[in-house]
Amino acid sequence: EIVLTQSPGTLYLSPGERATLSCRASQIFSSNYLAWYQQKPGQAPRLLIYGASTRAPDIPDRFSGRGSGTDFTLTISRLEPEDFAVYYCHHYGGPLPYSFGQGTRLQIK
Amino acid sequence: QITLRESGPTLVKPTQTLTLTCSFSGFALNGHGVGVGWIRQPPGKALEWLALIYWDDAKRYRPSLKTRLTITKDTSKNHVVLKMTNMAPVDTATYYCAHFVPETVTGYYVGDLWGQGTLVTVSS
Repeated sequence: EIVLTQSPGTLYLSPGERATLSCRASQIFSSNYLAWYQQKPGQAPRLLIYGASTRAPDIPDRFSGRGSGTDFTLTISRLEPEDFAVYYCHHYGGPLPYSFGQGTRLQIK
Repeated sequence: QITLRESGPTLVKPTQTLTLTCSFSGFALNGHGVGVGWIRQPPGKALEWLALIYWDDAKRYRPSLKTRLTITKDTSKNHVVLKMTNMAPVDTATYYCAHFVPETVTGYYVGDLWGQGTLVTVSS
């Protein structure tokens, strides 16, 4: 089973700042089957990034993803008030089970 | 427009079987390159992938829950049903269904649209 470890657990930033979220996998990915989701309280997760770096439709370009192998990053270039939420990385390929990280909570400082 | 909606009991007793239905519109599950999956989230905790059924009736299950899970589809009703046997309090969670498609980078299926979820509580 691939374990995804996200860091930090909570990130305190202000609107306008840059956010960098990390996701580390316990095994090397043979392909970039890594996605990022945003979840707000009481809502379903929303797909932001797939293939490690491709934005899903209608996702603003302030969201970007990068990485390969075992280390992946989600960057939000300039935080908007609506970006404060919990973010999960998720692998959807390779060995079962397809797992999620434990999440990074992005909170207003 | 693709929509998905989960339905089922809100309260289940320990040892009972949970049956959840995902009703969807905007796509057909007998069309090439589509899947519907289930993911759950215990209160205040992270997401947990459970099962996925593909357009060709191939199925994937979380290995640790495989003996308890059954996923089926009814393409005539646009439904996917998840059954989970021998429910326990640790299974208390919001259960989501999601639409899966093969993404353009790797070809693996990713959940691009999710239902709003349904909270299932397991308690006597």
